[in-house]
Order: sequence, then C-alpha cells, then structure tokens
Amino acid sequence: DGGITQSPKYLFRKEGQNVTLSCEQNLNHDAMYWYRQDPGQGLRLIYYSQIVNDFQKGDIAEGYSVSREKKESFPLTVTSAQKNPTAFYLCASRTSGASEQFFGPGTRLTVL
Amino acid sequence: AQKITQTQPGMFVQEKEAVTLDCTYDTSDPSYGLFWYKQPSSGEMIFLIYQGSYDQQNATEGRYSLNFQKARKSANLVISASQLGDSAMYFCAMRAAGRRALTFGSGTRLQVQP
Repeated sequence: DGGITQSPKYLFRKEGQNVTLSCEQNLNHDAMYWYRQDPGQGLRLIYYSQIVNDFQKGDIAEGYSVSREKKESFPLTVTSAQKNPTAFYLCASRTSGASEQFFGPGTRLTVL
Repeated sequence: AQKITQTQPGMFVQEKEAVTLDCTYDTSDPSYGLFWYKQPSSGEMIFLIYQGSYDQQNATEGRYSLNFQKARKSANLVISASQLGDSAMYFCAMRAAGRRALTFGSGTRLQVQP
C-alpha cells in the first residue's frame, strides 16, 4: 500500500538527548515536510525539502535538523538545543504539480 | 505574511444537519490555495477539499463544500448531513504561490450529537 509512515508512534526522551524521528514515503513524492503541533493549536512548519539533498528551514527550525539523502526518506532530529520539544510531530509529502499535502500518522514526543 | 483565522474553537451539530466552519485568511499574494483538513483523535491529518484562488466555482467533495468568498477573504467549510464520524478537529490552511508549505489556522473542534 502506498503511504507515509512515521516511527515510532510514541517517543520518550530525557533532557539533553538527541532523538531522530523517522518519516518514509513510497508515493514517489518530491516534496516532504515536517510540522510540529502543540495542544490546541495548528501545525507549524519546521523544515521542508523539495528535492533530494536540499532542504529549507521553516518557521520554527531552531533546535531541529534534517537530512534528505533519499527521495523516500526525510528524518528529523530533535536536538538538545530545542528548549521545549514535547509535541506531536507530523510528516507530510506532496508530488510536484499537485496542491494537497498528505500526512503520516505522527509521532508524539515527550521529554521526561 | 500569510495568516489563517478560525474563530470557532468548538462547534456542536445534530446528526444529519448541516454545519459551517468559518475560516478567514490574509495574504498579499494574488495566487494561493486554500485547504481543509480533518484531524480525528488518532492524530492523522486527512485532506478534505481544496480551492484555488482563481477557481470560479466553489469546490465540492461529496458532503464537503467550500464557500469561497474572495472579496471577503473567507473560505468556510460546509459539511452536509453530519455523521457521528465527523466529530474531529478541522483545520483551514493556505499555501501562497511563493511559499512551499502550508500555513494553518488554530482549528475548530466539531462534535456531532446523536
């Protein structure tokens, strides 16, 4: 089945640790995105990538890093520099020429 | 800068009735797209409907229609014949032509009552 997968579904991190969230898509989409959602709020853009080996910062990139070595994969690392990382993280992708983005099921990160 | 405003934090509707969820937007870009997504309690964002700024007719997708009033900068979602499964958060979003990603509103929680 075609789609976007994110793992893990739940992630617990101790303060000071870096963690990496996985996002994989088999839709052959060119563009991929990472959003953050805090309780009761909409989504905010962290990073996006239009093509392999290229990515741009979004509105809240501080404390996060990404890579795009393969078309189907766009992992997000939450570093210890991110002051308040507890949130719901959503990955999305879009094919060139299309308007809508399709989302994965999300990863809920909790810092202990 | 782009901005999306959803002024209804929560809405109630009786099953089988229609409901309108409000969305206003602000952009200086003449070319943009407007989107509605549904987020059930599981968390996944489900794409519902899209309206382009140059589209002459309002978009429709099954029970969903988008009431697009360009001069008023509004893009309200109308759900007809509400079902219990429609209970969820609903987000309005916009993508201007010069921006690659979506800008989201704060959402409206819809509860459908039997």
